[in-house]
Amino acid sequence: GAVVSQHPSRVICKSGTSVKIECRSLDFQATTMFWYRQFPKKSLMLMATSNEGSKATYEQGVEKDKFLINHASLTLSTLTVTSAHPEDSSFYICSAREMRRVGSTDTQYFGPGTRLTVL
Amino acid sequence: AQSVTQLDSHVSVSEGTPVLLRCNYSSSYSPSLFWYVQHPNKGLQLLLKYTSAATLVKGINGFEAEFKKSETSFHLTKPSAHMSDAAEYFCVVGWTDYKLSFGAGTTVTVRA
Repeated sequence: GAVVSQHPSRVICKSGTSVKIECRSLDFQATTMFWYRQFPKKSLMLMATSNEGSKATYEQGVEKDKFLINHASLTLSTLTVTSAHPEDSSFYICSAREMRRVGSTDTQYFGPGTRLTVL
Repeated sequence: AQSVTQLDSHVSVSEGTPVLLRCNYSSSYSPSLFWYVQHPNKGLQLLLKYTSAATLVKGINGFEAEFKKSETSFHLTKPSAHMSDAAEYFCVVGWTDYKLSFGAGTTVTVRA
């Protein structure tokens, strides 16, 4: 099946620094990727939609200047948490939508997630 | 707006007995519905999806779900639980631009 990877799997940083998380579709092209945030014992919250070659679209309440998203190629999207604070500590998960032939149902594949801890 | 409600935050079953995870959805049009499973330290895995074809959907690992429009439900079942089924399960509804809305999740524990 289609595989999505995330790097790093776990990162610890100091308050005020920036952290970049990569999301890659390993064996398929993804024009659209999604970024989610998952708090402990909680569900996933959609943060933004990453579109290859254009600006990301953010969900209501998500600061676009704090969570910078770049989708430079059909297999890579990055999420940069800028000026991180302890409240940004969370589990960040990406998904990639696999484009299939016209008329079929697209499927999203999820990465394993990145655990961010801000000290 | 599309949303899902998972009626049980935690389900505990004995190995070999049936599993039922309940999900109700709210959608302004014919929805796409999914069940995903999340094992500790692993990525979300798609169990099955409903996209307006057959109302009884068969998924991987013996799971299946039935779409009931009259009840706005999409409950997940498995006839015989296995220890490896212990995980977090999410009922998910698809909406505009292929976005997904996740339910709160149901934690499944399996007793030996």
